[in-house]
Amino acid sequence: EAAVTQSPRNKVTVTGGNVTLSCRQTNSHNYMYWYRQDTGHGLRLIHYSYGAGNLQIGDVPDGYKATRTTQEDFFLLLELASPSQTSLYFCASSDTNNQAPLFGEGTRLSVL
Amino acid sequence: GDSVTQTEGPVTVSESESLIINCTYSATSIAYPNLFWYVRYPGEGLQLLLKVITAGQKGSSRGFEATYNKETTSFHLQKASVQESDSAVYYCALGDLNTGKLTFGHGTILRVHP
Repeated sequence: EAAVTQSPRNKVTVTGGNVTLSCRQTNSHNYMYWYRQDTGHGLRLIHYSYGAGNLQIGDVPDGYKATRTTQEDFFLLLELASPSQTSLYFCASSDTNNQAPLFGEGTRLSVL
Repeated sequence: GDSVTQTEGPVTVSESESLIINCTYSATSIAYPNLFWYVRYPGEGLQLLLKVITAGQKGSSRGFEATYNKETTSFHLQKASVQESDSAVYYCALGDLNTGKLTFGHGTILRVHP
């Protein structure tokens, strides 16, 4: 069954903290994405990747790094977390050809 | 840039009433946009409700339907008779065929009362 799994599901950190959000897909998809979802903004694209070792900048990349270590794994890195990064983060994967991206269940991050 | 505008929520309806959630889009950088409706039920992740990749076509799922209207740049979501279990947040999204990137509307909270 196609799946996108995010971990952790919830995370609390302090300002200046170092956070890594993980995403794994078992769909053999080439494309993976990180979005953040905030009230009043819908989902906004942070970074995405075409494949292992590839990274593309999204629409709201400031303060975030990402790394795609394998076709399955895509990580979002917050090296100096700030309260403005408190949000719900979604990972997704797709194999374009008119396919709808498949989303994970989300990671809720709170930066105090 | 590309953008999606949808009905401001929350939208509150009674069970068995009809529903329309408006969605309009602007695709300035995408030659052949795909259109999607995603839904997020309470406590769950984001899941695809329906998609349409060709202008003029209609998509349908779980009693919901939406028609891709290129002339009016709209993709309104409709349902003839809602159920309490339809209570959720609905997101309209514009997709780029080449990259798979999605541009989302801000989401519409739907509350259905029994």
